[in-house]
Amino acid sequence: LAKTTQPISMDSYEGQEVNITCSHNNIATNDYITWYQQFPSQGPRFIIQGYKTKVTNEVASLFIPADRKSSTLSLPRVSLSDTAVYYCLVGDTGQAGTALIFGKGTTLSVSS
Amino acid sequence: GAVVSQHPSWVICKSGTSVKIECRSLDFQATTMFWYRQFPKQSLMLMATSNEGSKATYEQGVEKDKFLINHASLTLSTLTVTSAHPEDSSFYICSVPPRTGGGGGEQFFGPGTRLTVL
Repeated sequence: LAKTTQPISMDSYEGQEVNITCSHNNIATNDYITWYQQFPSQGPRFIIQGYKTKVTNEVASLFIPADRKSSTLSLPRVSLSDTAVYYCLVGDTGQAGTALIFGKGTTLSVSS
Repeated sequence: GAVVSQHPSWVICKSGTSVKIECRSLDFQATTMFWYRQFPKQSLMLMATSNEGSKATYEQGVEKDKFLINHASLTLSTLTVTSAHPEDSSFYICSVPPRTGGGGGEQFFGPGTRLTVL
């Protein structure tokens, strides 16, 4: 699985857009980019996944440039409840035997 | 998405005792499940892969005789922490990978079990 690098922490205020960038220079052809969210004392929760270009769902957007060596998770109009740790993972996660290897993640703190 | 449950959600035990944690896949059968451990302020660390019908595979540095894994059925995997010590106190999380098919896929995580060893 490709190694990822993302900021350790970010601060924001309610109502702002937050963009978290993840670097994955060694991404393989079959790899997908997946983001998970984790609140304290809970298991991670899937946010969004993409392979290339842009993916949007009801909670976030994922921007992936053509070279796929980085990706940006965009959270529109964050609220206090978005305070959590966000993990960027890269790999062929559809394979049943493929475990997810977590990096350090980005701790997002949203203030009022 | 699939629902994964864990039991108990938290447990406190005395040093030297054994604790069993259950992970259940409620929506679909899973031949593979994963166990993670997370210490405070740290990321999730993969401990082992639980395989239905065969032995679990452990990550380097994880003692297989201490952390016993049994994939009892296609919907249940158990992790038993034997002779627990305070340093085993942690948050244990299981996950169920997506159905086979290749490419992409969301893994489904349990809510976690907080183990405190006194």
